Amino acid sequence: DGGITQSPKYLFRKEGQNVTLSCEQNLNHDAMYWYRQDPGQGLRLIYYSQIVNDFQKGDIAEGYSVSREKKESFPLTVTSAQKNPTAFYLCASQVQGGYGYTFGSGTRLTVV
Amino acid sequence: AQKVTQAQTEISVVEKEDVTLDCVYETRDTTYYLFWYKQPPSGELVFLIRRNSFDEQNEISGRYSWNFQKSTSSFNFTITASQVVDSAVYFCALDPYNTDKLIFGTGTRLQVFP
Repeated sequence: DGGITQSPKYLFRKEGQNVTLSCEQNLNHDAMYWYRQDPGQGLRLIYYSQIVNDFQKGDIAEGYSVSREKKESFPLTVTSAQKNPTAFYLCASQVQGGYGYTFGSGTRLTVV
Repeated sequence: AQKVTQAQTEISVVEKEDVTLDCVYETRDTTYYLFWYKQPPSGELVFLIRRNSFDEQNEISGRYSWNFQKSTSSFNFTITASQVVDSAVYFCALDPYNTDKLIFGTGTRLQVFP
């Protein structure tokens, strides 16, 4: 079955550590996205990529980094510069042309 | 400015009641797409409907129906005879022309009690 796989489902990070969230899709979608969800704030765009080896900052990119070396993969690194990283992170992909996103099941990151 | 407003933060109903979730959007584009997604407690967002700006026909899918009115920039979602399984957070989203980036509203949490 085609879909998006995010791992891990739960992640705990110590202060000052970098962590990487995995996102893999087998839908052959060109575009991939990372969103952050906080209670009562909806989804905010962190980074997106519309083609391999290219990506753009979203609305809240500070403290995050991404790479897009393969079409299937779009990992997100939460760096120690991100002051408040505790949140639910959602990865999505889509075929370009306004067809909407397919979402992964999310990673819940908690700083301990 | 491009924006989606879901003014209802939380709605509670009793099973079998009808409920309407409101969505108002802002865009200067004449071509755009509107979406509704459902987020159950598991967290994954599930696609419900896509509508392009040139198609103002209302749509019905089972107990779900959508009312798209360009004159008021609204794309409201009605659940008829609600069920406990409808309990979730519902997001309305806008895809402005040629951006391929969804702009989400803040969501409406629907709780359906037995």
